[in-house]
Amino acid sequence: NAGVTQTPKFQVLKTGQSMTLQCAQDMNHEYMSWYRQDPGMGLRLIHYSVGAGITDQGEVPNGYNVSRSTTEDFPLRLLSAAPSQTSVYFCASSYDSRGPPWNEQFFGPGTRLTVL
Amino acid sequence: AQKVTQAQTEISVVEKEDVTLDCVYETRDTTYYLFWYKQPPSGELVFLIRRNSFDEQNEISGRYSWNFQKSTSSFNFTITASQVVDSAVYFCALRRNAGNMLTFGGGTRLMVKP
Repeated sequence: NAGVTQTPKFQVLKTGQSMTLQCAQDMNHEYMSWYRQDPGMGLRLIHYSVGAGITDQGEVPNGYNVSRSTTEDFPLRLLSAAPSQTSVYFCASSYDSRGPPWNEQFFGPGTRLTVL
Repeated sequence: AQKVTQAQTEISVVEKEDVTLDCVYETRDTTYYLFWYKQPPSGELVFLIRRNSFDEQNEISGRYSWNFQKSTSSFNFTITASQVVDSAVYFCALRRNAGNMLTFGGGTRLMVKP
């Protein structure tokens, strides 16, 4: 299994540009989520999904869109990038919490995004 | 609302010293789960341990040990005889009983010098 994969690994954008960060998992996990990591603030939840067709907002959703058309993929879209979105983005997946309680989250390798 | 506080932003020790990383959490839930993750300089997040709120037994895994004290809402992490390879950012995280969302602390950067 490849686990959780993210592309690209690095990206530089200009203010106002749009792009999509890709995330895929091959573990048949129902739950997927996006976090951003900023210095001194740990990781903060942006959006999450409990299954195909179902998404919801996390702690810091503004400026980001998500969709979940398949179990495997959970892309994160920046419609109009801003310098405040410069961060490292992590995708994570796990089995749904309604199952066994020890649903460890598996994290992808991260995408480092710089918005100029 | 849930909150995780890691008051130590940066710790520097010399190899072979013992070091304790503090984690204090806030939650109104009676059932919850606590985690520690390691982020080495390469950037990936490495899962270290999980603990549920009903299990207050301390745990030891090699040079790592964890002290969970519900009375003080703390879940501290101790590395015994630290090594240079332990240099990383360590995150404590909290998860509610319902849902998979993690609330992370700000992280502690540990530097182990030879």
